[in-house]
Amino acid sequence: AQRVTQPEKLLSVFKGAPVELKCNYSYSGSPELFWYVQYSRQRLQLLLRHISRESIKGFTADLNKGETSFHLKKPFAQEEDSAMYYCALLIQGAQKLVFGQGTRLTINP
Amino acid sequence: EPEVTQTPSHQVTQMGQEVILRCVPISNHLYFYWYRQILGQKVEFLVSFYNNEISEKSEIFDDQFSVERPDGSNFTLKIRSTKLEDSAMYFCASNRDSNEQFFGPGTRLTVL
Repeated sequence: AQRVTQPEKLLSVFKGAPVELKCNYSYSGSPELFWYVQYSRQRLQLLLRHISRESIKGFTADLNKGETSFHLKKPFAQEEDSAMYYCALLIQGAQKLVFGQGTRLTINP
Repeated sequence: EPEVTQTPSHQVTQMGQEVILRCVPISNHLYFYWYRQILGQKVEFLVSFYNNEISEKSEIFDDQFSVERPDGSNFTLKIRSTKLEDSAMYFCASNRDSNEQFFGPGTRLTVL
């Protein structure tokens, strides 16, 4: 089965604290994973993808095939990081994205 | 920077009516998609479209739904005989070949 699980619907941390948004996947093929972010009243936009291995806005995510995880991390949260975060799995061939349910991250001042 | 656009931003319709949701993908993109998100639920894939035909569709995408690229710029989703459970945000997306899909702002469909 092709599935993405984000166990936390809501996550609240204080500014300056570390953040980790969890994502686990189930996929028989070679996984290609993404994190999308949706700021208030804005569209879904790509935050990062595992194959590029880059850091965007201080966020990083490492694909762990053994644990089938792709957790999103940031060492020091900022207030502007408050948003909905979606983990997504690309199904090869079909070119469709399978999304997790999303995590609403709130950064408290 | 070019963006995917969608119209209208909000559509209200009566149950049983037909609606057409419109999208203008980024101009040099070749692959087009529709997704939907029922309130409180996941974003779900509906259909992908390439080279003027459907390349993949989900089990949600039944005979009630159709897609069309009527000209060189628009990509439409038609929902015939709408049902209450069709109420959702509908997102259009497009890409060229990088696997990154670019999303539109969405159309909120409310079926009364």
